[in-house]
Amino acid sequence: AQSVSQHNHHVILSEAASLELGCNYSYGGTVNLFWYVQYPGQHLQLLLKYFSGDPLVKGIKGFEAEFIKSKFSFNLRKPSVQWSDTAEYFCAVNAANQAGTALIFGKGTTLSVSS
Amino acid sequence: GAVVSQHPSRVICKSGTSVKIECRSLDFQATTMFWYRQFPKKSLMLMATSNEGSKATYEQGVEKDKFLINHASLTLSTLTVTSAHPEDSSFYICSARNQGSGSGANVLTFGAGSRLTVL
Repeated sequence: AQSVSQHNHHVILSEAASLELGCNYSYGGTVNLFWYVQYPGQHLQLLLKYFSGDPLVKGIKGFEAEFIKSKFSFNLRKPSVQWSDTAEYFCAVNAANQAGTALIFGKGTTLSVSS
Repeated sequence: GAVVSQHPSRVICKSGTSVKIECRSLDFQATTMFWYRQFPKKSLMLMATSNEGSKATYEQGVEKDKFLINHASLTLSTLTVTSAHPEDSSFYICSARNQGSGSGANVLTFGAGSRLTVL
């Protein structure tokens, strides 16, 4: 069975600080990897995704993530955070090449950015 | 882009009553939809996979007789919480996968969620 672990429960940063949120997954096969963001009072939105190819993927709003297969990791990064990045961030995984499989989510990381 | 609509966004009901939540894919067809439950400060827990024209597949520990799922068409799935109790109070979120081709085909689009409060 797949599982996702997000190491940071709550991260507090000042504006312009750099961000890295950890995500590790457990699965014996090939996976698709995702980062979703949930702003206060809003629904989940896709930040970025990795299916195959270049392990460094760029998403919206200046976010990027790097897939390191040997470490089963897919950490999310942003060089300079803004107050508007305050939100809940979820890493998710599903089995690649299997149509109709659900996403399995990590427990989420709350990011608080102070201005 | 793909849009998933959930209704109602908020519902308050008395203990013992049943509540139906609708999930619609507005601009695409979805053979498969997924229902999640989100607790405060917790991640999304997959409850069940809703399959158009067939029975839903429930995750371990989810009572299928309490959480009835019907996927009547390629754009509509419903979750009915039967004989609701206060412990069923939660945030229920549906998602759907665009059956189209391209990179968007394997991306889930989420509804805005439905907050259920059982008194």
